[in-house]
Amino acid sequence: DQQVKQNSPSLSVQEGRISILNCDYTNSMFDYFLWYKKYPAEGPTFLISISSIKDKNEDGRFTVFLNKSAKHLSLHIVPSQPGDSAVYFCAASAKDFGNEKLTFGTGTRLTIIP
Amino acid sequence: DTEVTQTPKHLVMGMTNKKSLKCEQHMGHRAMYWYKQKAKKPPELMFVYSYEKLSINESVPSRFSPECPNSSLLNLHLHALQPEDSALYLCASSQIELANEQFFGPGTRLTVL
Repeated sequence: DQQVKQNSPSLSVQEGRISILNCDYTNSMFDYFLWYKKYPAEGPTFLISISSIKDKNEDGRFTVFLNKSAKHLSLHIVPSQPGDSAVYFCAASAKDFGNEKLTFGTGTRLTIIP
Repeated sequence: DTEVTQTPKHLVMGMTNKKSLKCEQHMGHRAMYWYKQKAKKPPELMFVYSYEKLSINESVPSRFSPECPNSSLLNLHLHALQPEDSALYLCASSQIELANEQFFGPGTRLTVL
């Protein structure tokens, strides 16, 4: 049972335009959400996060939006650059007997077209 | 130093072999993690160490044996693995207070023949 879902396995966006990556979750106990970026042959790299008490967090070109009622979050990248081409994982966190556990989505491969 | 290193990068082993994966970080993080990632799947948590003590074991088979000899090192000892254990094994670390924001190593690509 996939508690964190990324329904788009791939996305292509023209350079300079906005990239929007989506993520849905089912577990209402998740209290923190993150986006990780992964290049081939490297481990995931933390990108941006948002607490469940907020609905938006912005860091430079990256903005994450959280809609708790819809159990949906999205990552906006604007403007998109060729170096943004990577696999993006959405992750959600919940406490498990005092320990934080991350649950990852299946990832979306973003390709920025020059 | 904001890097998590993992050795080896690639490992091929037979089902009767014993091998170990190693992970190291020098960021002063006191939480360390092992994840397993199969092709086209998300990383799945295996073990969590907090202050060098095992705090989470996600019902991982005993043929995987983790060890945290000190605050910088994390090992995963492998014995009598099955071909279906072939995967990318990722190590991560974090501050205890910021366990959500984990730093990942590049992983070890394991193939079990």
